[in-house]
Amino acid sequence: DAKTTQPNSMESNEEEPVHLPCNHSTISGTDYIHWYRQLPSQGPEYVIHGLTSNVNNRMASLAIAEDRKSSTLILHRATLRDAAVYYCILRANDMRFGAGTRLTVKP
Amino acid sequence: NAGVTQTPKFQVLKTGQSMTLQCAQDMNHEYMSWYRQDPGMGLRLIHYSVGAGITDQGEVPNGYNVSRSTTEDFPLRLLSAAPSQTSVYFCASSPDPDYEQYFGPGTRLTVT
Repeated sequence: DAKTTQPNSMESNEEEPVHLPCNHSTISGTDYIHWYRQLPSQGPEYVIHGLTSNVNNRMASLAIAEDRKSSTLILHRATLRDAAVYYCILRANDMRFGAGTRLTVKP
Repeated sequence: NAGVTQTPKFQVLKTGQSMTLQCAQDMNHEYMSWYRQDPGMGLRLIHYSVGAGITDQGEVPNGYNVSRSTTEDFPLRLLSAAPSQTSVYFCASSPDPDYEQYFGPGTRLTVT
């Protein structure tokens, strides 16, 4: 199964950009790269997903490396409400969540 | 739309008891799945379904059964509860596994 590797934790200052990395060196050609986040005591929430090209939506941007072996979730201006655990997941017939990256946002 | 609903929100069981966690969605999604999340851990896939009448095992299926008789409902049955099944259970649905998944609010289960 294709797996992802993320840092356990990251910190950011409020209103600064945040770049959350994810390595997925065994990704297959048909695997989409999904990002979800989970706020305390809530279910996961979809953030963004993509296959090959960079993607933008109202929440974030997703930058995908040309060889697709890594990707970066970009929060353009972190707010306190963005403090959460962020999961990078590959679609491989079923979604496997790892431990994710715990993002702390400092005021 | 109510989205994905789960009942109950909280449940305490004794070892050996059985119960069913309910999950329903009103978005006509074909794909539904069940996850468990242990304290401080990521989610782990239990079972999933790609449509009515079709289910398959995920990463941690032992001790759980599912069925999918309608598009809307995807119940999860615990056959004989064990303390190791103490966890928060999330149900999710999606029009397709490669699309956005919508998660329910979760059921917090404690087995004593």
